[in-house]
Amino acid sequence: GESVGLHLPTLSVQEGDNSIINCAYSNSASDYFIWYKQESGKGPQFIIDIRSNMDKRQGQRVTVLLNKTVKHLSLQIAATQPGDSAVYFCAENSGGSNYKLTFGKGTLLTVNP
Amino acid sequence: GAGVSQSPSNKVTEKGKDVELRCDPISGHTALYWYRQSLGQGLEFLIYFQGNSAPDKSGLPSDRFSAERTGGSVSTLTIQRTQQEDSAVYLCASSSLAGANIQYFGAGTRLSVL
Repeated sequence: GESVGLHLPTLSVQEGDNSIINCAYSNSASDYFIWYKQESGKGPQFIIDIRSNMDKRQGQRVTVLLNKTVKHLSLQIAATQPGDSAVYFCAENSGGSNYKLTFGKGTLLTVNP
Repeated sequence: GAGVSQSPSNKVTEKGKDVELRCDPISGHTALYWYRQSLGQGLEFLIYFQGNSAPDKSGLPSDRFSAERTGGSVSTLTIQRTQQEDSAVYLCASSSLAGANIQYFGAGTRLSVL
């Protein structure tokens, strides 16, 4: 899993499997969290977000889980596809800021066909 | 335009030269951000503009770095007397007031200082 400040971890999965990418955030005052996907040579692309008054939010093939007790965030990708191969970043709103995001260093997901 | 546009996409310069990087945000977005991304690293916040308010420059690493936003739209990030450690991808993002925390990113400018 990922933690702000550590080296870039990697996750390798088979096509069709479910993927879980983890993130430990740093600031207990942060109340908004967001996941981005970054493909090689491109800018980060918004995937899904969640506010601290929720512990789960679902999108299309993706689910974000938030555990405020242990300051942990995860992104679940169902039926992972080769096109999901990318670096995934979690970000927190820097102690409750209404604009500043603090990004983790990312997790490299590789999907094997 | 449809998305955030950055130019140039790649810039190679010699140590000591000045460079200017340009960002065109999404039309109607009032907030604009610059980040720096070093190889294999996360995004490092540099500067934030919101409407006519004073920018948050707290992330600029040194006084060689500056940015401006003219007319509330296009922004230019300037790095003076470039150093090799300035080599990185510089990303620009914009957001609307309605979704202030969802930032939409451009593809970045890859800066290489020789």
